[in-house]
Amino acid sequence: TQLLEQSPQFLSIQEGENLTVYCNSSSVFSSLQWYRQEPGEGPVLLVTVVTGGEVKKLKRLTFQFGDARKDSSLHITAAQPGDTGLYLCAGSGGSNYKLTFGKGTLLTVNP
Amino acid sequence: EPEVTQTPSHQVTQMGQEVILRCVPISNHLYFYWYRQILGQKVEFLVSFYNNEISEKSEIFDDQFSVERPDGSNFTLKIRSTKLEDSAMYFCASSTGPRNTIYFGEGSWLTVV
Repeated sequence: TQLLEQSPQFLSIQEGENLTVYCNSSSVFSSLQWYRQEPGEGPVLLVTVVTGGEVKKLKRLTFQFGDARKDSSLHITAAQPGDTGLYLCAGSGGSNYKLTFGKGTLLTVNP
Repeated sequence: EPEVTQTPSHQVTQMGQEVILRCVPISNHLYFYWYRQILGQKVEFLVSFYNNEISEKSEIFDDQFSVERPDGSNFTLKIRSTKLEDSAMYFCASSTGPRNTIYFGEGSWLTVV
């Protein structure tokens, strides 16, 4: 069974601070996706990473896929209140069609 | 931007009743999925569907669940006899390929009373 552990579970910071959240597994994933979810809504895709060591940037968000494709991180620079939300990582691997989700990191950015 | 749409957004049903949740996947996508999220828990895979048949299903997807693509655009999840523990947000999703990016709908919130 593939499992994804996300840390921290909760994070509360002030506007302007930087932060990093982590997504770790003992399993290798062929690709990993980061989503953001607002309460009562569906996950909204932020990025997909597929190559070990890959780094992708989306404005103030930087995503990295580990060399061994077992872990990933999301770094946010100069966080803003609009960044508040639940950040989910989800991986797919092997012959599986399904995505395995982590429990998420609930980020609160205070003005 | 194309999106996955789901109806209803919220449904309340009595235990034992049948429920059908509907989804319109993104038009050029070939792979369709249902996931669910019980309040406060992680998003869980239910089933994947391709070429008019189930590709993979989880242990959650037992005999009371079924999926169907009745026409060229809709993809449905039927729960035959709902239980209290079926209360959850159900997400439809679609992708162009089996390991390509999966796009989610906004969800259908099912409350079983």
